Amino acid sequence: SQQGEEDPQALSIQEGENATMNCSYKTSINNLQWYRQNSGRGLVHLILIRSNEREKHSGRLRVTLDTSKKSSSLLITASRAADTASYFCATVPSQGGSEKLVFGKGMKLTVNP
Amino acid sequence: KAGVTQTPRYLIKTRGQQVTLSCSPISGHRSVSWYQQTPGQGLQFLFEYFSETQRNKGNFPGRFSGRQFSNSRSEMNVSTLELGDSALYLCASSGIQLGGYTFGSGTRLTVV
Repeated sequence: SQQGEEDPQALSIQEGENATMNCSYKTSINNLQWYRQNSGRGLVHLILIRSNEREKHSGRLRVTLDTSKKSSSLLITASRAADTASYFCATVPSQGGSEKLVFGKGMKLTVNP
Repeated sequence: KAGVTQTPRYLIKTRGQQVTLSCSPISGHRSVSWYQQTPGQGLQFLFEYFSETQRNKGNFPGRFSGRQFSNSRSEMNVSTLELGDSALYLCASSGIQLGGYTFGSGTRLTVV
């Protein structure tokens, strides 16, 4: 079953603009991760934020986490055509005893040159 | 270092047949997980192995099974294939430090 829900489901922007993706989830978590997937290939890990963290940065990426609202957002600044991909949030539930990822449905980002 | 290697990349099978997919994790990684990706259901967790033991299993029928070897390589098997098993099967490995998973490029299985 899927826990995360990305919003919007599709986003089209111009190169240089910022892209913001939101993710909501249902149960308490150990951490939340964002992944990128190009054209049905493997997933690439972008960033991980732990449940006791509120914000994290990595290069042009900024992720926030609000555990009280069970939501996260991923901001990609100064987007490039190469950022065109599907983006997924994935949570590691705090119950379960393993590190299984529960994925959202994904969001398709198109960056137009 | 080498990434996660999945073989084969593409596979076409007939309904009723069985299939075995292979995954070689990053050297030193002991946790291997499998996921199924379909347009309708999205990414769904199949199972996770750690040091040859299955730690968790998703909601899939018993036709889906897996195992992990002492060198951390993993295989998953699907018996009595159905058309609905057509999907991209992704393997991911993780090390001791919690830094996210590294995924392979996947095996695209088509059942005809």
